[in-house]
Amino acid sequence: GAVVSQHPSWVICKSGTSVKIECRSLDFQATTMFWYRQFPKQSLMLMATSNEGSKATYEQGVEKDKFLINHASLTLSTLTVTSAHPEDSSFYICSARQAAKNTEAFFGQGTRLTVV
Amino acid sequence: AQKITQTQPGMFVQEKEAVTLDCTYDTSDPSYGLFWYKQPSSGEMIFLIYQGSYDQQNATEGRYSLNFQKARKSANLVISASQLGDSAMYFCAMSLLYTGRRALTFGSGTRLQVQP
Repeated sequence: GAVVSQHPSWVICKSGTSVKIECRSLDFQATTMFWYRQFPKQSLMLMATSNEGSKATYEQGVEKDKFLINHASLTLSTLTVTSAHPEDSSFYICSARQAAKNTEAFFGQGTRLTVV
Repeated sequence: AQKITQTQPGMFVQEKEAVTLDCTYDTSDPSYGLFWYKQPSSGEMIFLIYQGSYDQQNATEGRYSLNFQKARKSANLVISASQLGDSAMYFCAMSLLYTGRRALTFGSGTRLQVQP
């Protein structure tokens, strides 16, 4: 089946620094990718929809200047957490879906971000 | 807007027995897909089963079956012959099929513990 690879799987960074998370679709072209955030013991919440070649669409309450999304190719989307603070510590997970297939939604392995 | 409700925060089941995890959904769109995912402690999202709103038959995938009751807007997951490895969080999710919003909306999840 289709595979989505996310890197890194975990990262620790200092407060005020930026962190980039990559999401790759390995064997299909993903014109759209999705970024979710999951706090401990909670569900996945959609942060933004990443569209290849255009600006991302952010969910209400998500700061677009803080969570920069770039989808420069059909197989790669990146999420950069800028000027990270401890409250940004969370589990970030990306997802990709093939355009013609409604029955599948593939997820990356997730990235556990800890800001100290 | 779509909404998924999972009313069971936690469930216990004896090994080798069957268990039903409840999921109800709400949408005014007639075209949608319903998903179940398993999330072990590692955080990865493991796809289990999919049901389309126009599918006539209930979906089955090995030990997993989806009890789809469209009139009641419910999509319960049935796991037969539970195994210790089934202990995890389980999320019900949905997306629309044709209106462009293909991100998944998740329920709050159910933590399943399989006891020997």
